[in-house]
Amino acid sequence: AQTVTQSQPEMSVQEAETVTLSCTYDTSESDYYLFWYKQPPSRQMILVIRQEAYKQQNATENRFSVNFQKAAKSFSLKISDSQLGDAAMYFCAYRRPAGGGADGLTFGKGTHLIIQP
Amino acid sequence: NAGVTQTPKFQVLKTGQSMTLQCAQDMNHEYMSWYRQDPGMGLRLIHYSVGAGITDQGEVPNGYNVSRSTTEDFPLRLLSAAPSQTSVYFCASTRQGRRSPLHFGNGTRLTVT
Repeated sequence: AQTVTQSQPEMSVQEAETVTLSCTYDTSESDYYLFWYKQPPSRQMILVIRQEAYKQQNATENRFSVNFQKAAKSFSLKISDSQLGDAAMYFCAYRRPAGGGADGLTFGKGTHLIIQP
Repeated sequence: NAGVTQTPKFQVLKTGQSMTLQCAQDMNHEYMSWYRQDPGMGLRLIHYSVGAGITDQGEVPNGYNVSRSTTEDFPLRLLSAAPSQTSVYFCASTRQGRRSPLHFGNGTRLTVT
């Protein structure tokens, strides 16, 4: 079974600075998708960014970017120019290849990001 | 466009009671699923469905039942609530295909006393 590991239960960063959240995963598949979701105190799950495993180029969405290292099975999230509204739990997730079973996501345990004003 | 709608938002049950968490989506998504979120555990898949009439178990299915009679609705039933089922429950939907992200409802906080 696939596993997703987020080794940082909590991270803290000063407003306007850059922070990187770590994520590693374990899979024997070569084609899959990876996601970062944000969960603010409102409890809503918000998609931040996604990466296709067969694409070499790292995904970016405004201030959010990933460092995808397929051989190392690493998928870190970089948040630039951190803002108070970025404070939330961040979950890394792996989506299984289609077919052969559940088509859902496997989540890491999350990283609680604190933004210091 | 409502997206994924979950009801209720909060619920308190006594041990042994049964209840149904409702989930509806209006995006014509084939795939729907239920997760539970517990502190320090991330989200874990309970049950999922790839289309009307088709359901299957996820990682933590015990004590839960689901059905999918229509594309839009995917209710989760707790047959006999236990304190271990105290959790936040999320319903999600997506199109088939790995590229599509999951769209989540706003969650139901369930407490079993």
